[in-house]
Amino acid sequence: AQRVTQPEKLLSVFKGAPVELKCNYSYSGSPELFWYVQYSRQRLQLLLRHISRESIKGFTADLNKGETSFHLKKPFAQEEDSAMYYCALGMDSSYKLIFGSGTRLLVRP
Amino acid sequence: DTGVSQNPRHKITKRGQNVTFRCDPISEHNRLYWYRQTLGQGPEFLTYFQNEAQLEKSRLLSDRFSAERPKGSFSTLEIQRTEQGDSAMYLCASSQGEGRPFFGQGTRLTVV
Repeated sequence: AQRVTQPEKLLSVFKGAPVELKCNYSYSGSPELFWYVQYSRQRLQLLLRHISRESIKGFTADLNKGETSFHLKKPFAQEEDSAMYYCALGMDSSYKLIFGSGTRLLVRP
Repeated sequence: DTGVSQNPRHKITKRGQNVTFRCDPISEHNRLYWYRQTLGQGPEFLTYFQNEAQLEKSRLLSDRFSAERPKGSFSTLEIQRTEQGDSAMYLCASSQGEGRPFFGQGTRLTVV
């Protein structure tokens, strides 16, 4: 069955520290992986997708098919990065997304 | 704000009542999606439309749920005979073809 696992509900780091939010997926086909972010009182928005291989707001994520992972990383966390982060798996061409349960990132000053 | 618009933002209803939510997608987006998000969980796919055709429905969408997109523009999601387990945030998203979906701010339903 298709599944996305985000093992950490809360990740707390100090400003300037490196951040890694973990995401593992289960899917037998060719996956498309995304990271979505939800800042306080705002709507869910796309942060990045693996096929674009871009860095957004200093975040990067590499798809590792061998480990079925798509971890989100940032070398130096900022307070404004505090938010809820969701990893999502896209399947087929319907653009139906399967989301993980989310990780709350708290960046302390 | 020209993004995806959802109304109402909040709805409190008594168990057994019917409720209807509306989603206005971004203009000219031909795909529209409904998701449900319960506390502590990520969004779960409910259904999606391409233009006015409902192409896929999750098994989460019981017989009490019905979604329509009559003219391929706005969509409505109706829940009949609401139950406490229906309490959740209902999210709508739209996209142009296989482009990335844009999400609305959601309708929070509380069934008392």
